Amino acid sequence: EAQVTQNPRYLITVTGKKLTVTCSQNMNHEYMSWYRQDPGLGLRQIYYSMNVEVTDKGDVPEGYKVSRKEKRNFPLILESPSPNQTSLYFCASSLRGLYNEQFFGPGTRLTVL
Amino acid sequence: DAKTTQPNSMESNEEEPVHLPCNHSTISGTDYIHWYRQLPSQGPEYVIHGLTSNVNNRMASLAIAEDRKSSTLILHRATLRDAAVYYCILRAPLQGAQKLVFGQGTRLTINP
Repeated sequence: EAQVTQNPRYLITVTGKKLTVTCSQNMNHEYMSWYRQDPGLGLRQIYYSMNVEVTDKGDVPEGYKVSRKEKRNFPLILESPSPNQTSLYFCASSLRGLYNEQFFGPGTRLTVL
Repeated sequence: DAKTTQPNSMESNEEEPVHLPCNHSTISGTDYIHWYRQLPSQGPEYVIHGLTSNVNNRMASLAIAEDRKSSTLILHRATLRDAAVYYCILRAPLQGAQKLVFGQGTRLTINP
């Protein structure tokens, strides 16, 4: 089944403890992206990647890192999480940028205490 | 990115057609009109997109005004599963950052 998977789906952590949220797609998509969703602020893009080894900042990249070493994986790294990074995170992918429909993962609910 | 305006909420009945409007008066000639929806507790889901002509797919139809300043997403026969937040987004694929800018969307309620 074609899909975008995220792990973990739920995570509660403490301030400053490094964490990684994984994102993987099995559709051979070139484009991948991370969004966060907050009440009243909607979905905002954190980082995106047009292809392997090519990443770029979105609207809210501060406090996040990403890497794209393989086509299928696009992990989101929080080196030192803070409470303002408590949010619902979505990974998305598409065949080639925004010419094509975006497929979204099921989301990761992160709470930073 | 050009701005879109959608009603905050709409309500309809099951098995009836639903017309979800979107205004985009500052749309440019290269902006595509995308629609996504987000069902409760799920990630957004692609619905349809178009440039100038009306578009149909298995999920919905997209009617685009002749001047392209507005569009309407049409669900021909709503089901309870269509209850979601619907987002109308403008995107010029070759311009600017490669991102979808989601507004607040329209929350659609379907009554049994």
